[in-house]
Amino acid sequence: DIQMTQNKSSLSASLGDRVTISCRASQDISNYLNWYQQKPDGTVKLLIYYTSRLQSGVPSRFSGSGSGTDYSLTISNLEQEDIATYFCQQGNTLPYTFGGGTKLEIK
Amino acid sequence: EVKLVESGGGLVQPGGSLKLSCATSGFTFSDYYMYWVRQTPEKRLEWVAYISNGGGSTYYPDTVKGRFTISRDNAKNTLYLQMSRLKSEDTAMYYCARHKESYYGNYFDYWGQGTTLTVSS
Repeated sequence: DIQMTQNKSSLSASLGDRVTISCRASQDISNYLNWYQQKPDGTVKLLIYYTSRLQSGVPSRFSGSGSGTDYSLTISNLEQEDIATYFCQQGNTLPYTFGGGTKLEIK
Repeated sequence: EVKLVESGGGLVQPGGSLKLSCATSGFTFSDYYMYWVRQTPEKRLEWVAYISNGGGSTYYPDTVKGRFTISRDNAKNTLYLQMSRLKSEDTAMYYCARHKESYYGNYFDYWGQGTTLTVSS
């Protein structure tokens, strides 16, 4: 199975900050990397698919980048509603594995 | 509006059984593969079953194979997960998720709100 690693389990930032969350795959996943947001109430939402494509309705302050094994999610101008846990997931090879999550908190 | 609503979670003793349901609306259910994904108490996400759009193909990881059975009723737009011989490590929040496959790979574009299973004596 492809292992997905998010090296920071938590991250603290101030409102208005630019925040970057990282994700590494154990092998090349050819940009088939997706990001999800889980709010404190457990609601899960797809944010970005195929590294950088924004899901419909997702604010443009979210962006994604990367290639090969290394990927990142960036939130520009952090807002209160962005407080959540963010998971990466590879969509290249079954089983479609997830990273361990990065919990974003307000400093 | 796409909706997925899970139900059926609860407290079960080790070795027991339980059946989860996921009622869907707002899309053509029979067009999509569907997954059950669970989140452990440590917040790790792991898939536990998927089923093809017609129901003819199912797949499970070794951790649940032989104990869990995924099924669907396309006439009722509902997904199911029958769980038996439950273990404490099956304790988790269970989500149903709609699978999307495209040129852009495989991802889960809609999720339910989850239903909690606790396996404990």
